[in-house]
Amino acid sequence: AQSVSQHNHHVILSEAASLELGCNYSYGGTVNLFWYVQYPGQHLQLLLKYFSGDPLVKGIKGFEAEFIKSKFSFNLRKPSVQWSDTAEYFCAVSEAASKLTFGTGTRLQVTL
Amino acid sequence: DVKVTQSSRYLVKRTGEKVFLECVQDMDHENMFWYRQDPGLGLRLIYFSYDVKMKEKGDIPEGYSVSREKKERFSLILESASTNQTSMYLCASSPPSGRANLEQYFGPGTRLTVT
Repeated sequence: AQSVSQHNHHVILSEAASLELGCNYSYGGTVNLFWYVQYPGQHLQLLLKYFSGDPLVKGIKGFEAEFIKSKFSFNLRKPSVQWSDTAEYFCAVSEAASKLTFGTGTRLQVTL
Repeated sequence: DVKVTQSSRYLVKRTGEKVFLECVQDMDHENMFWYRQDPGLGLRLIYFSYDVKMKEKGDIPEGYSVSREKKERFSLILESASTNQTSMYLCASSPPSGRANLEQYFGPGTRLTVT
């Protein structure tokens, strides 16, 4: 079965610091990759997605992620975080049909 | 915009009660999903449905059942609630065709406490 690892459980950064959140998956075949974000008190929403093509994908609010097939990774990055980026971030992978497998999430806290 | 609504934001039930969680989507999506979200465990799929009256077990179906009588509505049923079912329950839906059906749209969640 597919598994997704997010090794950073809780990250604390100051505003303007750079962010990189790790995501690794287990499946060796064709995958589709997602990052979702859950802001405090809000529903889960899509941040960005990768299906094929350019391995560097850009999402909303200045986020980007890079798919590295050889490393089974899809890390999320942002050059300069803002206080409003405080949220929980989930990596998800789909290998078949419509099912997604989610990672355990990373709680990001941005301090002023 | 896609809208997925859930019947309650907060729910408190007693052990042994039968609990119904309702989810409605307004975008004519074929696929609907129920997850539970627990700290440190992320989202785990309970059940999903590809069409009316169709259902498939997810990763943690034990203690749960589902019903999909209409395309827009997907219900999660806890036949006899237990304290270990205290959790946040998230409903999601996705479109029917192509790779677009992999992007899921989520409801606000129902925080269920079983005492």
